Amino acid sequence: LAKTTQPISMDSYEGQEVNITCSHNNIATNDYITWYQQFPSQGPRFIIQGYKTKVTNEVASLFIPADRKSSTLSLPRVSLSDTAVYYCLVGDTGFQKLVFGTGTRLLVSP
Amino acid sequence: GAGVSQSPRYKVAKRGQDVALRCDPISGHVSLFWYQQALGQGPEFLTYFQNEAQLDKSGLPSDRFFAERPEGSVSTLKIQRTQQEDSAVYLCASSYTKDPQYFGPGTRLTVT
Repeated sequence: LAKTTQPISMDSYEGQEVNITCSHNNIATNDYITWYQQFPSQGPRFIIQGYKTKVTNEVASLFIPADRKSSTLSLPRVSLSDTAVYYCLVGDTGFQKLVFGTGTRLLVSP
Repeated sequence: GAGVSQSPRYKVAKRGQDVALRCDPISGHVSLFWYQQALGQGPEFLTYFQNEAQLDKSGLPSDRFFAERPEGSVSTLKIQRTQQEDSAVYLCASSYTKDPQYFGPGTRLTVT
């Protein structure tokens, strides 16, 4: 399972765009990149998943360069409620155990 | 539709007691995972079921931990003779084939 590296924490203000970059140099051919969001006292919530190029849903966008050794989660116009821990994971998520790091603690201020 | 549910949400046990934590996965989900999350850390894998078969239990920390999923749906994580170091949030996740894993709210276990 590929190891991921992401910033420990980030600060932002309401209305700004936040980009969290994750590096995964040893990603395997079959691996997908998945991001989860976790609020205190809740289980991780699936945000977005991608394999290559760009994926967008109603919550976020995921940018993956051609070499797939990194990825960037983009949250447009964050609000206070986006304050949470964000985890980047790589793997064949449906069948494989997920290996979480410590994640990125995002703090959104007014 | 309904998500993954777990019960109880909170459990306080005296050291040495046995506890049973329940997970109801999303209907039709083949895969079921248990994770343990210590305060301030990311979740750590405990065990994995595909239908009723326990395919991976490499993350169970000791033989006091036991999980089952006898009919391929509901799963129970049992911890015997609880110790203080077992205090954590226990998360259950389920998935359908290659889809992402969807997590329940967790059970917070406090061993006193």
